[in-house]
Amino acid sequence: EDQVTQSPEALRLQEGESSSLNCSYTVSGLRGLFWYRQDPGKGPEFLFTLYSAGEEKEKERLKATLTKKESFLHITAPKPEDSATYLCAVPNPQGGKLIFGQGTELSVKP
Amino acid sequence: NAGVTQTPKFQVLKTGQSMTLQCAQDMNHEYMSWYRQDPGMGLRLIHYSVGAGITDQGEVPNGYNVSRSTTEDFPLRLLSAAPSQTSVYFCASRRQNTEAFFGQGTRLTVV
Repeated sequence: EDQVTQSPEALRLQEGESSSLNCSYTVSGLRGLFWYRQDPGKGPEFLFTLYSAGEEKEKERLKATLTKKESFLHITAPKPEDSATYLCAVPNPQGGKLIFGQGTELSVKP
Repeated sequence: NAGVTQTPKFQVLKTGQSMTLQCAQDMNHEYMSWYRQDPGMGLRLIHYSVGAGITDQGEVPNGYNVSRSTTEDFPLRLLSAAPSQTSVYFCASRRQNTEAFFGQGTRLTVV
């Protein structure tokens, strides 16, 4: 079964405390893995696309990496404004559906 | 750039009423989808479309209808609203195998 699992469900960090979020997937023929950020009351906002194992993308304090079974979103020296829910998603093998994980709710305290 | 536009932003319905949530995109994307998001449940796919005239069911389609007469529009119809349909609804569009762009959501309450 095509599935995306994110861990942890919630993560509390102190400002400046680096950490990583995990997204593991089981889908045949990966056609891309997408990371999103969602703030309360808003729609998900696109962050990164990764297409092949070994690929990395960076934006400010965030870096996304991809292996054949999972992706990591590394957060370096986070700030309170990085607090949000982070979602990952992959297309199903037929390509028509995007399968989302449950998300990781990140809270960064000053 | 408008992107994906959803209307209304907020709606209160009485049980049994019907209504249509509107979604329009101006990016000429082939794929469009509707999701609902409930606390602790993540994004759940209701219906999706891979092109004008083509729609298919997601994981929670019951109580909802869709149609795709144009590339730009993908309305979601609630036939007879129930309290269980109280949720936040998101519309999204994308090209095949690329990222999705989301609207700002419709917060629906059914009393």
